[in-house]
Amino acid sequence: AQSVTQLDSQVPVFEEAPVELRCNYSSSVSVYLFWYVQYPNQGLQLLLKYLSGSTLVESINGFEAEFNKSQTSFHLRKPSVHISDTAEYFCAVSANTGFQKLVFGTGTRLLVSP
Amino acid sequence: GAVVSQHPSRVICKSGTSVKIECRSLDFQATTMFWYRQFPKKSLMLMATSNEGSKATYEQGVEKDKFLINHASLTLSTLTVTSAHPEDSSFYICSARDGRGNTGELFFGEGSRLTVL
Repeated sequence: AQSVTQLDSQVPVFEEAPVELRCNYSSSVSVYLFWYVQYPNQGLQLLLKYLSGSTLVESINGFEAEFNKSQTSFHLRKPSVHISDTAEYFCAVSANTGFQKLVFGTGTRLLVSP
Repeated sequence: GAVVSQHPSRVICKSGTSVKIECRSLDFQATTMFWYRQFPKKSLMLMATSNEGSKATYEQGVEKDKFLINHASLTLSTLTVTSAHPEDSSFYICSARDGRGNTGELFFGEGSRLTVL
C-alpha cells in the first residue's frame, strides 16, 4: 500500500517570492507521483507528474518537482509565485503496476498575498 | 487532455431522498472510474472503484447500500446517494483513467456539491 504525507497544511507567501510545498511518500513498490491543484469549488487539475526518466519535472506555469527516491520525496517548487497560484495543492501516489488507485495527501493550501 | 464531466455540479435535497450524480468521460473510454469524497479542509477519500460491466469495489468503511455505483457503459458511471441525510453533505468527485495508456494518470470531473437539508 502507498501513503502520502504533506506536512504543511497551509503555506503563506508574498507575491513574487519562491515557495516549496513538501511531499513525502511511502511505498513498497515503484510508484508514479503527481501534483494536483484544486481551485475553490472545482475538481482537481493535474499540475505535473513523474512516471519515469528525468527526476525533475516541470509544468507549463512555472512549477517544478523533483523525485528523490532516497528521500522518498516529491517536493513542489516555484521560484516566483503569483496571486493566481492561491489554491489547494495535493500530492498523490500510485503504484506503477497496472491500474492502481491514486492515494492523496491531505493537501497544502498555498496563500499568496500582495 | 482527456475530459471528465460531472453532473450536477450542485444539488440540494431533503433528508430521506435519493440523489444521483453522473460522471462521463467525454473523449475517451474509461474502463475504470473512481469516486472520491472530499470533506471541508480534508483530503480526498476514495470511496469506490467503478469497473465497467461489473460490481464496484468499495473501500473499507464505505456503505455500499448507501452509495450505489453503476458503471453501465465505458463512458458513464453514476453514484446514487440513497436516503440522504445531512451527514452525507459533501463534495463528491469522480475520476477516470484513460484506458488507452497505462500511465497511472487520472482525469477528474469538476465535482458535485451535495447539500442535504
